[in-house]
Amino acid sequence: DGGITQSPKYLFRKEGQNVTLSCEQNLNHDAMYWYRQDPGQGLRLIYYSQIVNDFQKGDIAEGYSVSREKKESFPLTVTSAQKNPTAFYLCASSRGIPGTAGSYNEQFFGPGTRLTVL
Amino acid sequence: DAKTTQPPSMDCAEGRAANLPCNHSTISGNEYVYWYRQIHSQGPQYIIHGLKNNETNEMASLIITEDRKSSTLILPHATLRDTAVYYCIAHGSSNTGKLIFGQGTTLQVKP
Repeated sequence: DGGITQSPKYLFRKEGQNVTLSCEQNLNHDAMYWYRQDPGQGLRLIYYSQIVNDFQKGDIAEGYSVSREKKESFPLTVTSAQKNPTAFYLCASSRGIPGTAGSYNEQFFGPGTRLTVL
Repeated sequence: DAKTTQPPSMDCAEGRAANLPCNHSTISGNEYVYWYRQIHSQGPQYIIHGLKNNETNEMASLIITEDRKSSTLILPHATLRDTAVYYCIAHGSSNTGKLIFGQGTTLQVKP
């Protein structure tokens, strides 16, 4: 079955430590995204990538970093510079190039990783 | 992307149709209306999208008014598993592919 996997589902880290969240897709999608969700809130875009070896900042990129060395993978690192890292992190992918309206922009989401910084 | 407005919460009886409204009065001509839902502690799920014609798929129907300033998502026979937060998003080609998720409507399906 095609889909997006995120691991782990729950993650605990001590304050000041960097942590990397995994996101893998086997949908052959070009575009991938990372969102953050705080309790009772909508999703906010952290980073997105249109193609391998290219990525752009979203609305709240400070304190985060990403890489896109393979089409299937888009890991997110939450660095110690992120002031409030405790949140629910969601990875998504879409078939088309971002900015193209219509059916290519349906985004498929992974199950999420809930990060708690102690 | 145009701003959308949804009621914060709605109830629906199991087996009945759930009609979820969305206002998008500033929507531009190239913006589509997308609906996603998020069941508690899971990733959002795509439901349906449309431009100006009504759309139907296996999950739901989308009715868009002629002036495109509002739309309604219809779940024809709601089940308890449809309890979720439903997001209406107006999205076009003028941005990066970013979906702007507002507060959404929390739909509670009751037995």
